[in-house]
Amino acid sequence: DADVTQTPRNRITKTGKRIMLECSQTKGHDRMYWYRQDPGLGLQLIYYSFDVKDINKGEISDGYSVSRQAQAKFSLSLESAIPNQTALYFCATSDFNGFQETQYFGPGTRLLVL
Amino acid sequence: SQKIEQNSEALNIQEGKTATLTCNYTNYSPAYLQWYRQDPGRGPVFLLLIRENEKEKRKERLKVTFDTTLKQSLFHITASQPADSATYLCALISGSGTASKLTFGTGTRLQVTL
Repeated sequence: DADVTQTPRNRITKTGKRIMLECSQTKGHDRMYWYRQDPGLGLQLIYYSFDVKDINKGEISDGYSVSRQAQAKFSLSLESAIPNQTALYFCATSDFNGFQETQYFGPGTRLLVL
Repeated sequence: SQKIEQNSEALNIQEGKTATLTCNYTNYSPAYLQWYRQDPGRGPVFLLLIRENEKEKRKERLKVTFDTTLKQSLFHITASQPADSATYLCALISGSGTASKLTFGTGTRLQVTL
């Protein structure tokens, strides 16, 4: 089984709808991240969480919110979806040990907002 | 401001040749640097980490160099194969201690042809 899973894998929604993307991990990592990636562009950090009680905004948090329900779960919500939020969304965890970290990515959620 | 620069133009090389990708950075003093591979529509996968006190790191056909004076890392794939075709991202650590986190470059796409 995959260590970092994302649901759904694909989603089509309409402008104005609220949607939630979910991420679960079995790696036991404290740190979790949400990124978006537009075609041909790099990863943009939306939100990150260093533990269940520590949630931080990334570079493009407007229009998004998150919830860290448990160490293993980190959800991303689009409060009122708009077409320019159409993108590929990745969840990641990291094995930060106080000195260094490596990130482990989920398979991605492809979101289309009509 | 902090910047991580990777060549946005795709690198096209012939099978069997050595591919060299560049990562330049400004206003960072990273304790380490990482390289990830990303296949289309999938999440990045960690390949190699090199620390600031290491000049070179090797793993099978991969070699990474890290020059903190030039603020540059080079990523080499020797005897390249079509299966090496992917986008390669460098990532730097910023901040310190528990506040540190990784930031990714935009990646360079490598295309290996027969």
